[in-house]
Amino acid sequence: ETGVTQSPTHLIKTRGQQVTLRCSSQSGHNTVSWYQQALGQGPQFIFQYYREEENGRGNFPPRFSGLQFPNYSSELNVNALELDDSALYLCASSLVAAEAFFGQGTRLTVV
Amino acid sequence: SQQGEEDPQALSIQEGENATMNCSYKTSINNLQWYRQNSGRGLVHLILIRSNEREKHSGRLRVTLDTSKKSSSLLITASRAADTASYFCATDELRGGSEKLVFGKGTKLTVNP
Repeated sequence: ETGVTQSPTHLIKTRGQQVTLRCSSQSGHNTVSWYQQALGQGPQFIFQYYREEENGRGNFPPRFSGLQFPNYSSELNVNALELDDSALYLCASSLVAAEAFFGQGTRLTVV
Repeated sequence: SQQGEEDPQALSIQEGENATMNCSYKTSINNLQWYRQNSGRGLVHLILIRSNEREKHSGRLRVTLDTSKKSSSLLITASRAADTASYFCATDELRGGSEKLVFGKGTKLTVNP
């Protein structure tokens, strides 16, 4: 158990819809990062939040957005869903320059 | 793009044997982490090794790091069927003040009972 929890665990959405994924960080961690993992691939960095500010972004379009709250929990929002957005979405919490601990992920299927 | 590349892509061994997985990366790093993933679920953190360390142990795990060759290895000794999983190395990449982890495609380990 890492103390990082994600919800929901599974989700099916229709192309064009919007989705919000949630992550509760491990206690004491002020940094949260989101990753997308396509089938058979390693996770790809989407963005990172540090103390409620976006602190770095990977090669993802603006329709991927996020928030971090004062309690360091976080949301990942994806607008105008595309079929290729189907993937496992992973949230990781950490302190700076320390181990990153991942949640169990949200499996998103876009149909 | 993915920086870390694990080798081999797949490995099948018998219970009790040792398993060695290798990881190569391209840029300078502060640290390297190894993770395990069971059947497309979340990543389980195994070990972090910093750039000034050469070897680290945790239970049946032994990790080495050679920064001159930009490579790392993960050794699992006396493997068990429960070790069956995909293993990923992840390097940190400092960009614009953020630390992002860059993963390879992983090594799929199968331990046969």
